[in-house]
Order: sequence, then structure tokens, then C-alpha cells
Amino acid sequence: NAGVMQNPRHLVRRRGQEARLRCSPMKGHSHVYWYRQLPEEGLKFMVYLQKENIIDESGMPKERFSAEFPKEGPSILRIQQVVRGDSAAYFCASSPAQVIQETQYFGPGTRLLVL
Amino acid sequence: AQTVTQSQPEMSVQEAETVTLSCTYDTSENNYYLFWYKQPPSRQMILVIRQEAYKQQNATENRFSVNFQKAAKSFSLKISDSQLGDTAMYFCAFMKSGTASKLTFGTGTRLQVTL
Repeated sequence: NAGVMQNPRHLVRRRGQEARLRCSPMKGHSHVYWYRQLPEEGLKFMVYLQKENIIDESGMPKERFSAEFPKEGPSILRIQQVVRGDSAAYFCASSPAQVIQETQYFGPGTRLLVL
Repeated sequence: AQTVTQSQPEMSVQEAETVTLSCTYDTSENNYYLFWYKQPPSRQMILVIRQEAYKQQNATENRFSVNFQKAAKSFSLKISDSQLGDTAMYFCAFMKSGTASKLTFGTGTRLQVTL
């Protein structure tokens, strides 16, 4: 059973470009969470999604950031018009739907560098 | 809102010795979950141990155990027989109960295991 997959692992963008980060949850998992880790800091929650629904986006910046988890395919975290402050590691985690409070399993992260 | 505090930015321990990492949290919830995650130099987030607040018995996973003091809102991690592979950042995290929800992380403790 493959773990949580994220791609790309590393992404370099210039200021003003768009960044798209992908996350495929573990097989059988339908809850997806995105977290951001700034350099030398802990992880901060961004958004929680289930298939085709955003459940909690309280940690998402109000502008330029969006997330989706379509019926088919991976979850996407999209950052428009990136700025240098967006440089960070972005982690996706997943958990199964059937068991409430099941542990979240993390992907390897995407390191975004904005030049 | 919940907060998680890790007051030890860095710790060092000799191989085969025991070390304890501190974590305190603040919440008005009565039912919740606590976790310790490990982040080695690869930056992958790895679950170490999990504790349900309603359980009085402290969780144990091989060389890893916790000291959960609910009244004091304290959740420390003890690593016995430390190994070089334990070198990593360790993050304490909180999740409230009720529905699947986000993790709130502390700022981490960097543990170095030396020969």
C-alpha cells in the first residue's frame, strides 16, 4: 500500500508565476490536509478537504491560495502570483473516512523556492 | 484556540542513553488526541506515538513512551536507548476530538544523538 504521494518534490518559481502542488492520498483515504512549514518553524495548518468539498480553510491566506480535491485525481494546492514569502515546504496528509480521529499520514512534502 | 508549546529548541543525548522531550498545551476541550511526530533530515514527517486524552494509560511504542499528565496539560516524550537514527526534529501536536480535524503543532525540538 503506497503512502501519501506528493509531486513535485522540489519546485522553483519566479515571482509572479503560479505554483501547483499535487497530493495523492493513501489508498482508501478520502480526507486530505495541507500544511505549510516555513524555514525553522513548525507546520501550520492550511486547509482540510474531502472529495469535492472544502471542510476547513481557516488556515488559508485570503488571496492567491486555493485548494481542491476533485472526485477523480489528486488534491491540488494552487498558489497564484507567488512571492518570496511563499518559499516553504508544503506537506499533504491523509486519513481514512471510516474511522473518526484516525491518524494523519504525511507525504514527503514539496519544497517551493520562489526566486 | 489550541496552542502547543515546546520549550526546548535543542537537545543532545549520547547513544544508548535516555532523553525526555517536553510538550505542554492549552485547550478548553476535554476530549482530544496528542501526537509526537519525527522529522529527520529527509524532512519526511513520521508518526512516533499517539495518545487519546480519555485514556489514563500512557502510550508506548518500543523505545518511545509518553508521560501524559492531563491536569497539567503536559505530554512529554521519553526515548530510551537512543540511537543515531533518532537524530531529528520532534514535533508535538494536538487534535481536538469530535470530527476529523486539523493538527496544531509545536515549534519543535531538535534532537542530536551523539556517539
